Amino acid sequence: NAGVTQTPKFRILKIGQSMTLQCTQDMNHNYMYWYRQDPGMGLKLIYYSVGAGITDKGEVPNGYNVSRSTTEDFPLRLELAAPSQTSVYFCASSYRTGGTDTQYFGPGTRLTVL
Amino acid sequence: GQNIDQPTEMTATEGAIVQINCTYQTSGFNGLFWYQQHAGEAPTFLSYNVLDGLEEKGRFSSFLSRSKGYSYLLLKELQMKDSASYLCAVREDNAGNMLTFGGGTRLMVKP
Repeated sequence: NAGVTQTPKFRILKIGQSMTLQCTQDMNHNYMYWYRQDPGMGLKLIYYSVGAGITDKGEVPNGYNVSRSTTEDFPLRLELAAPSQTSVYFCASSYRTGGTDTQYFGPGTRLTVL
Repeated sequence: GQNIDQPTEMTATEGAIVQINCTYQTSGFNGLFWYQQHAGEAPTFLSYNVLDGLEEKGRFSSFLSRSKGYSYLLLKELQMKDSASYLCAVREDNAGNMLTFGGGTRLMVKP
């Protein structure tokens, strides 16, 4: 299993540009998440999904959109990039909620908006 | 909502023991996780507590007191490779298995 994969690893955007961060998991997990991590800070939840076709907002959703058309993929869309969106973005997945079920993280996408 | 506090930085010596504390306030506690994150890498799962007490996993142990809203991660026989950030995360009893993370504690292990 590759686990959770993310592309690209690095990206530089100009203000106002758009892009999609890709996330794929091959563990047949129902739950998927997008986090951002600013330098020296913890993770903040942007959006999450409990299954294909179902998404919901997390703590910091403004400026982002998601979709979940398949169990495996959970892309994150930035429509009008702003400097405040400079961050490291992590995608994660888990099989279900509750118990010891932990989240598995992808390697991250480092995004800079200039 | 939740409020999770942990020290920003700690320094310890190779071979020693270090304790990283985490305090939290939540309306519906449903588990506490510790993750390790090396610089430039993704977080990886270390431990999980939902009942009061100590969970031991080799050199790492995690303790929880639900009544005090308090947890700690204990690292024994420190090694240089333990230099990393340690993230405390709390799960609330709502849908989605959502975790709220603290700011992380950056641990530096010195020779």
